[in-house]
Parts: sequence; C-alpha cells; structure tokens
Amino acid sequence: QQQVKQSPQSLIVQKGGISIINCAYENTAFDYFPWYQQFPGKGPALLIAIRPDVSEKKEGRFTISFNKSAKQFSLHIMDSQPGDSATYFCAAGLNRDDKIIFGKGTRLHILP
Amino acid sequence: DAGVIQSPRHEVTEMGQEVTLRCKPISGHDYLFWYRQTMMRGLELLIYFNNNVPIDDSGMPEDRFSAKMPNASFSTLKIQPSEPRDSAVYFCASSLHPDREAFFGQGTRLTVV
Repeated sequence: QQQVKQSPQSLIVQKGGISIINCAYENTAFDYFPWYQQFPGKGPALLIAIRPDVSEKKEGRFTISFNKSAKQFSLHIMDSQPGDSATYFCAAGLNRDDKIIFGKGTRLHILP
Repeated sequence: DAGVIQSPRHEVTEMGQEVTLRCKPISGHDYLFWYRQTMMRGLELLIYFNNNVPIDDSGMPEDRFSAKMPNASFSTLKIQPSEPRDSAVYFCASSLHPDREAFFGQGTRLTVV
C-alpha cells in the first residue's frame, strides 16, 4: 500500500530526445507527488512536484503527467541534454502521515 | 543558510565498531529525516523527527541503529555494532513540512569492512 514502483531502472536517451520515467502507486490517499534529481556524490534535490488536483505540470523542459484513475504519474524530459544525466526518484506523500515514500530511482544517461 | 550539513562525508570502519553520523538541519525547519541509499533498496526512510521528537522509526533496520535529536540544530544516527551490510550512503534531510521541499545533505558514505 505504501510502495511507489518506478520504472525503468536505467535509461539511455540520445541528446535532444525525450526521456520518460514512470511511477505507479497503490494508496489512493497520497496527495503529493514530487520528483527528485540526484547527481553523483550529491544528495537528491527537488526537481518538480504535483498534486492530484491537476493532470499536468510543466517547468521548462520538465513535465509531470498525472493519471489519478490509473494511479500513475510520469516525468517527461524534453530535448534531453547530457547535463540531465542523473538519477531520478519519484515519490509520494501523505499529508496526514508526515512522510514521503521514494521509488527506487532511475539512472538516466543522455548520450552526447 | 549553508544548507543541510552532514559529517563525516566518508567513514570507513571495522565490523563491530560504533559509528556516529551527524547532521545539522537548515535553521527553522521543523522536520528532519534520515535516509539510507543502496543500489539494491534505493532510498529508504529510517526515521524522522518533528520538532526534535522522533515520530516514526519503523524504518530503522534493527536495534543496532539509534537516532537522537537533542536540539533543533543537531541530530545523530548511531550504529553499534556496525556490520558490513550497513555499508551505504546515509542522507539527512530537513523540511518545513513533509509536503514542502525536502533539502538533503551531501550524505555520508559508510563502508564497514
């Protein structure tokens, strides 16, 4: 119930392509869905977040698509760049539960 | 603010030794989280505090692990005795609220030999 399942585990994309990472959850009470980006040797940092009252949120080249009925959400990176190479974590939070559950991460590599 | 500060950055210790990891959260943040990151299990929440009080320690793997937050600006995670399977990167994070941005430290890479 508390799990967040993330796929794929790793992803290789050509420069300029679209990177897509998917996440699925079971607990319909989750009400906060952030994505974190982690570079080697660094801690994760918030990239973009969405709440279930909207189906899409866009910030620059990064877009979250949210499908409440399917209990799925995804991160799209448009015009992927080598600097986007990092590990991406989806997560889900429950306001009354005070904690965030992270997916296992996706290692993204953008080919130059 | 300098962000969340963790020390040490790297720790190599022998099996059976006590290990203490330290964290200074961002001033004013009410929540502090300890995470463990491994390739196999990803990012696992170990324990979190609200206003210095431990709220949920269900992620702590076993009694060898303990965490304290004696004041709003300092927390420790202790492993005693340490085992090779404890080798991982341990992160501390703080936030104003769990559904606000969590700020992570740079992590402590622990190696138990």
